[in-house]
Amino acid sequence: DAGVIQSPRHEVTEMGQEVTLRCKPISGHNSLFWYRQTMMRGLELLIYFNNNVPIDDSGMPEDRFSAKMPNASFSTLKIQPSEPRDSAVYFCASSWSGTGGGTGELFFGEGSRLTVL
Amino acid sequence: AQSVTQPDIHITVSEGASLELRCNYSYGATPYLFWYVQSPGQGLQLLLKYFSGDTLVQGIKGFEAEFKRSQSSFNLRKPSVHWSDAAEYFCAVGASSASKIIFGSGTRLSIRP
Repeated sequence: DAGVIQSPRHEVTEMGQEVTLRCKPISGHNSLFWYRQTMMRGLELLIYFNNNVPIDDSGMPEDRFSAKMPNASFSTLKIQPSEPRDSAVYFCASSWSGTGGGTGELFFGEGSRLTVL
Repeated sequence: AQSVTQPDIHITVSEGASLELRCNYSYGATPYLFWYVQSPGQGLQLLLKYFSGDTLVQGIKGFEAEFKRSQSSFNLRKPSVHWSDAAEYFCAVGASSASKIIFGSGTRLSIRP
């Protein structure tokens, strides 16, 4: 079974440009998480979805950030406009959190490294 | 709200020596606890998890962790480290299988030949 797939793996853009990061979770998983990793702040939870519904977006830094999950197999994280301080590695992770054995174990993608110049 | 603290930023141990990485959590009820490992340029991989039952849990790569409610701790141990264990280790906590998972700041492990 394929793991969590993220694209692009690397993105270099200029300040003010729109950035869209994409994630395909593992088939059958019903929870999806977006994290941001930086040296200064570590691994921060930005937002998570259960059954395609955003549950907690309190970690989204500003209105410039938005996330959607239109269906169970796809999610996007959009930054508009981007700023240099948004430079980080963005991870998507999915899990099965339902009854019958769900333990919340997260399966991570390989991340999208964003550099905003 | 739950939180997790990893007090050690960087630890260096000799190959073959034992290892213990510390993790303290804050949560009112029995939490879901995890240890993940991250190699450079990679995503995170689960080492082990605890959510109920035996407080000593075994994971992959010879790692184990013990849940101690009285100390709010979930320390990771390995009896003999290998050079390939050099990586960043993260402790994480959640309130349930469907809740958000919060990560500690990580402990970087270096192995001395």
